[in-house]
This record gives sequence, C-alpha cells and structure tokens, in this order.
Amino acid sequence: EAQVTQNPRYLITVTGKKLTVTCSQNMNHEYMSWYRQDPGLGLRQIYYSMNVEVTDKGDVPEGYKVSRKEKRNFPLILESPSPNQTSLYFCASRLGNSNQPQHFGDGTRLSIL
Amino acid sequence: RKEVEQDPGPFNVPEGATVAFNCTYSNSASQSFFWYRQDCRKEPKLLMSVYSSGNEDGRFTAQLNRASQYISLLIRDSKLSDSATYLCVVNIGGSYIPTFGRGTSLIVHP
Repeated sequence: EAQVTQNPRYLITVTGKKLTVTCSQNMNHEYMSWYRQDPGLGLRQIYYSMNVEVTDKGDVPEGYKVSRKEKRNFPLILESPSPNQTSLYFCASRLGNSNQPQHFGDGTRLSIL
Repeated sequence: RKEVEQDPGPFNVPEGATVAFNCTYSNSASQSFFWYRQDCRKEPKLLMSVYSSGNEDGRFTAQLNRASQYISLLIRDSKLSDSATYLCVVNIGGSYIPTFGRGTSLIVHP
C-alpha cells in the first residue's frame, strides 16, 4: 500500500530535550516536505526537499533541522524544542517537479512542556 | 496579501443543500491546483485536482478561472459526512511549490 509513515504519532516532552520525528514514504517520490498546523494559521511549510541531499527552507524553518540522506526518509529534528513548537506536524511526499498532488502522513502531535 | 486566500467560514448548510467555495490566488506562475479535505486533527486528503476545463467527481465539481485567478468547489446534495475543512492548494512556479490556503470550514446539519 502506498503510504507516508510518520513516527511517533504523539509525543509529550520537555523543553530542550532533542527529538526526531521520522517520515518515510514507499512511493519512490523525489519531493518531501514538512508542515506544522496551528489553529487559525493553516498549514505552514517548515522545510522541503526536492531530492536526496537537497533541502530548502519553507516559511517557518527556525528551530528545525532536516536531512535527506535517502530518498525514502526525511526526518524532522528539533535540537532544542521549545513550547512554541507545540503543534500538529505533517509530512508529505510527491513526484518531483510535477503537477501531481502531495500525499500526507497521519500526523504527529507534539507537546513541548 | 496572502498568495492563496479562502473564506474561513464556517458555511453552515442543511443536508441536501448545494454549497460553493472559492479560492483566490495571487501568483500568475501558479501551475496546478487541488482541493483537499481535512477532518479535525487528521491529515489532509486529496479530494480532487482542478483542471483547466473544469472537472466533476460525483457530487463535487471543481473549476479554474485563470483570468480572474480563482478556483472553485461546488458540492451538490450535501451529506452530513461532508462536514470538514476544505483546503485549496496551488503549486507555484517551475518547482511546483505547494502553497496552501487556510481552509474553509463546512458544517452540514440535519
């Protein structure tokens, strides 16, 4: 089954404790991206990647890192999480430079205390 | 001005009603267009792509007006299960970077 898989689905942690949210897709998609969604603000892009070893900042990259060492994986790293990063996070993927739509993972709900 | 704008609603309609949403975009380099549906706290799911000639999928009809730079979604014979937030997405430029509207909330009541 074609899918985008995020882990964990839920996480409660404390300020400053490094965490990684994994994202994996099995559709051989070149393009992958991370979004956060907050009430009233809609989906905002954090980082995206057009292909392996190619990453770019989205609209709200501060406080986040990503890497794209393999085509299927695109982890989101919070080196020193803060309460303002409490949010619902989605990973998505799509065929490279294309008119195709994105496919989303189930989401990760992060709470930073 | 936001690149992709939607009326947040909520649109509150009875079962069986016809409802229409618009989404305006400001970047003339917009390449492709989509409507997604999002249920509360769930992932966005593709509802339909929007083609230049307009397209229909059952009770749903999408249209694109490039001259006026907007897309629309028409839902006929609304069902309770249509209650959700509808997101407009525009892929912009040569890299087809997706840009999201903030969504329009639809509530269908008995």
